Amino acid sequence: AQSVTQLDSQVPVFEEAPVELRCNYSSSVSVYLFWYVQYPNQGLQLLLKYLSGSTLVKGINGFEAEFNKSQTSFHLRKPSVHISDTAEYFCAVSPSGGGADGLTFGKGTHLIIQP
Amino acid sequence: GAGVSQTPSNKVTEKGKYVELRCDPISGHTALYWYRQSLGQGPEFLIYFQGTGAADDSGLPNDRFFAVRPEGSVSTLKIQRTERGDSAVYLCASSLGAGNTEAFFGQGTRLTVV
Repeated sequence: AQSVTQLDSQVPVFEEAPVELRCNYSSSVSVYLFWYVQYPNQGLQLLLKYLSGSTLVKGINGFEAEFNKSQTSFHLRKPSVHISDTAEYFCAVSPSGGGADGLTFGKGTHLIIQP
Repeated sequence: GAGVSQTPSNKVTEKGKYVELRCDPISGHTALYWYRQSLGQGPEFLIYFQGTGAADDSGLPNDRFFAVRPEGSVSTLKIQRTERGDSAVYLCASSLGAGNTEAFFGQGTRLTVV
């Protein structure tokens, strides 16, 4: 079984400032890691994913995340945020065994961009 | 359509009633998932279909919940004897198939049980 912890339920940041959203996971097997974004009144959209290879992955809208196996973390970062980044961000994992298993999500972090 | 389509977008029902929620996956996607998202929580896995069969239904909370996908495309999530605690947004996602690592989500059906 897997679990995901997003320690921050809300992160307020000023526009053009950098941001980091934290994600830690627990699993007894190897996992794939994902970040999804949910804009107001919209469905979940994939931001980026880590499957294998380079531990630094780049996604859409200028976001990136780094997989740290020893710390079981997959923190999301953006060097300069915009008002349009205001949304709910979800970290998720799935077993990497090759099957299309369901995702286990964290509770989400609400990113609030202040002008 | 180009994306995952869920209908209705909103459903209000009385406690004890039966409801059906529909999901139209992306054409050609053989894997289909249902999730439930309660207020302030992340999506919670309910069931996964590969083709017509339920490959994993371990997330269904109890026997009032059932889902079908008879022709390997459209899926229906069925909830019997609804309870107020069933109120949530029900999300559907699809992906190309086993081993595929990107699931595309619909906008969800907001179910309110009064």
